[in-house]
Amino acid sequence: TQLLEQSPQFLSIQEGENLTVYCNSSSVFSSLQWYRQEPGEGPVLLVTVVTGGEVKKLKRLTFQFGDARKDSSLHITAAQTGDTGLYLCAGDNSGGSNYKLTFGKGTLLTVNP
Amino acid sequence: KAGVTQTPRYLIKTRGQQVTLSCSPISGHRSVSWYQQTPGQGLQFLFEYFSETQRNKGNFPGRFSGRQFSNSRSEMNVSTLELGDSALYLCASRQGFTNTEAFFGQGTRLTVV
Repeated sequence: TQLLEQSPQFLSIQEGENLTVYCNSSSVFSSLQWYRQEPGEGPVLLVTVVTGGEVKKLKRLTFQFGDARKDSSLHITAAQTGDTGLYLCAGDNSGGSNYKLTFGKGTLLTVNP
Repeated sequence: KAGVTQTPRYLIKTRGQQVTLSCSPISGHRSVSWYQQTPGQGLQFLFEYFSETQRNKGNFPGRFSGRQFSNSRSEMNVSTLELGDSALYLCASRQGFTNTEAFFGQGTRLTVV
């Protein structure tokens, strides 16, 4: 069974602070996606990383895929209250067929004004 | 382009009843997958349909079933509802067989009383 462990589970910070969220697995994934989910809504795709060592930036968010494609991190610079939400990582190694995403349990981020 | 549409948004059912949830994927997307989200277990994969065929199935009892129509719309059915089936049910669509990025609907909040 493939598992994705996310840490920390909860994070409460002040606006303007930096933070890093981790997503680790013992399994190799062909791609890994990060989502943000707000209460009562579905997850919204932020980024997909595919290549080991890949780094992608989305404004103040920086995503990194580990060299071995087993882990990933999300770094937020100068957090804003609008960044509040549940951050989920999800891995896929189906190559398309037998498709399913394996999700971590998420990091609940609260950014206080 | 319209996103993934799930109906209804909220449902309250009694133990022992059955329920049908509906999902309309993004136009042109042929894959629909379903996930159950609970506070304790996070997002768990139920099944995926591609071109009207179930391609993959998660570890859920046979009370959970689904189908996909020729227009790619999908329905999920849960029979003999149990209290533990209370959850947010999410539907996600992807474009084709080699696309691993999933786009989620807002979900259906099912409460079993």
